[in-house]
Amino acid sequence: DQQVKQNSPSLSVQEGRISILNCDYTNSMFDYFLWYKKYPAEGPTFLISISSIKDKNEDGRFTVFLNKSAKHLSLHIVPSQPGDSAVYFCAASRNNAGNMLTFGGGTRLMVKP
Amino acid sequence: KAGVTQTPRYLIKTRGQQVTLSCSPISGHRSVSWYQQTPGQGLQFLFEYFSETQRNKGNFPGRFSGRQFSNSRSEMNVSTLELGDSALYLCASHDANSGNTIYFGEGSWLTVV
Repeated sequence: DQQVKQNSPSLSVQEGRISILNCDYTNSMFDYFLWYKKYPAEGPTFLISISSIKDKNEDGRFTVFLNKSAKHLSLHIVPSQPGDSAVYFCAASRNNAGNMLTFGGGTRLMVKP
Repeated sequence: KAGVTQTPRYLIKTRGQQVTLSCSPISGHRSVSWYQQTPGQGLQFLFEYFSETQRNKGNFPGRFSGRQFSNSRSEMNVSTLELGDSALYLCASHDANSGNTIYFGEGSWLTVV
């Protein structure tokens, strides 16, 4: 049972435009969500996170939106840059589960110059 | 300060052998967790250690084990290696006093032949 899903395996956008990456979850016990960026054969790099008590968190060009009723979160990157091209993973955790992250399958973002 | 350090970065082992991977967390971080990334299964949680005690364990066979030392450094061991164990093994560290963000190392790329 895949508790965190990223239904789009890939996304292609033009430089300067908005990139929107989506993530759905099924476990209502998740209360903290994170987005990571990853290059091949490297570890994930933390981008931004959001607690379930919020519906939006913004950090520079990155904004994460959380819709708890829909069990859906999204990452917006504005404006997109070629250096943003990577695989993006969303992850979820439960407060009483230590630091166990459940990851989605990832979305490969390609930003074209 | 230094990030999460994993050694070795790359290694090749033969089926049936065993392997030990090492992880040094960010200074001051007491929680260390391990993840496996494969093309077919994505990023999956292996186990988490806090103050030398295993706090959570993922759904992996007993061939996968780990430990944490008093200085928070951690090792994971895989015995009787199988071809399917070929993967990127990622270590992550966390400090509860710094919020819920989990930081990853560069990973150890294991190939089993």
